[in-house]
Amino acid sequence: EAQVTQNPRYLITVTGKKLTVTCSQNMNHEYMSWYRQDPGLGLRQIYYSMNVEVTDKGDVPEGYKVSRKEKRNFPLILESPSPNQTSLYFCASSFSNRDGYTFGSGTRLTVV
Amino acid sequence: AQSVTQPDIHITVSEGASLELRCNYSYGATPYLFWYVQSPGQGLQLLLKYFSGDTLVQGIKGFEAEFKRSQSSFNLRKPSVHWSDAAEYFCAVGAGRGGGGNKLTFGTGTQLKVEL
Repeated sequence: EAQVTQNPRYLITVTGKKLTVTCSQNMNHEYMSWYRQDPGLGLRQIYYSMNVEVTDKGDVPEGYKVSRKEKRNFPLILESPSPNQTSLYFCASSFSNRDGYTFGSGTRLTVV
Repeated sequence: AQSVTQPDIHITVSEGASLELRCNYSYGATPYLFWYVQSPGQGLQLLLKYFSGDTLVQGIKGFEAEFKRSQSSFNLRKPSVHWSDAAEYFCAVGAGRGGGGNKLTFGTGTQLKVEL
């Protein structure tokens, strides 16, 4: 089944403890992206990637890192999480910029 | 920079009534436009998209949207709403041809409630 897989689905962590949210797609898509969703703010793009080793900042990149070493994987790294990064995170992928993204099921992160 | 405005935060319609959700975008060139739906606790599902050609586009679940360049709008419509359409709807704009990358910008969403 064609899909974007994120792990974990739920995560509670403490301030300052480094974490990684994994994302993998099996559709051979060129583009991948991370979004965060907060009530009243919609979805805001954190980072996106056009291909292996090619990434660019979205609208809210501060406090996040990404890497694209393989085409299928695009992990999101929070090196020192803070409570304002408590949010619902979505990974997405697409074949081209006119196809629209296919989204994963989301990761609900709570930082205490 | 591109942006999207969804002026209606909440909309309530009766089952069987028609629906129109508004979306206005800002982008300097021809945009790529999308509508997504998010059911509670779920990810986002693509309803339809526009990037060129016929300005009236058909999507899944009986939805359609019309691109109006003069009004910078891409409103979503459905002739007869079903109770299962209750969800949150997001409009999004992406860089068009030559824009590079896939920097898709979303609106803040419209929550649809369907009264039986």
